[in-house]
Amino acid sequence: GENVEQHPSTLSVQEGDSAVIKCTYSDSASNYFPWYKQELGKGPQLIIDIRSNVGEKKDQRIAVTLNKTAKHFSLHITETQPEDSAVYFCAAPEGAQKLVFGQGTRLTINP
Amino acid sequence: EPEVTQTPSHQVTQMGQEVILRCVPISNHLYFYWYRQILGQKVEFLVSFYNNEISEKSEIFDDQFSVERPDGSNFTLKIRSTKLEDSAMYFCASSLGRSSGELFFGEGSRLTVL
Repeated sequence: GENVEQHPSTLSVQEGDSAVIKCTYSDSASNYFPWYKQELGKGPQLIIDIRSNVGEKKDQRIAVTLNKTAKHFSLHITETQPEDSAVYFCAAPEGAQKLVFGQGTRLTINP
Repeated sequence: EPEVTQTPSHQVTQMGQEVILRCVPISNHLYFYWYRQILGQKVEFLVSFYNNEISEKSEIFDDQFSVERPDGSNFTLKIRSTKLEDSAMYFCASSLGRSSGELFFGEGSRLTVL
């Protein structure tokens, strides 16, 4: 089955700096890679996703890059703000019915 | 904006008791899921449900667990005889299509088994 590894487990950056979170996956057939943001006490919320037919996708301050050959994808947040502080999860599909999540990255933005 | 709603937000129960967690998925969605998150750990898949039957389940989803869509709007997770290790946050999710499409998660139900 699919195995998703996520690094780092914690990340602390100064407000205004960039943050990068990386994930690797094992199943070369996987074709959809979402990123979820989980704020304290809430459910995961999709913030961006990418399909395997593109290498990069951007939405304002967040972007995701995908390297299919190396089987890794990354989340990039630029000009970080305090409200970006949360736990971020990457995921990849296993079969047609489920997502396998990474271990999560606790991102802290220091004012 | 449509959302997935879950009740209760927190339930405390004694070991061995039955628990039912309720979810109202987004109305036009066709696929429904339960995921679990033990404190400080990653989100884990439990079960997916489509066309009124389970389409896939994980090893965690043993005979103590069951799901049901009793009417056109609710989707429930039942744990027949809770164990201490069932303590976790349980998230319901729904999607219009299969997992290669966007999953919408509810806010979760925190289950504490004493």
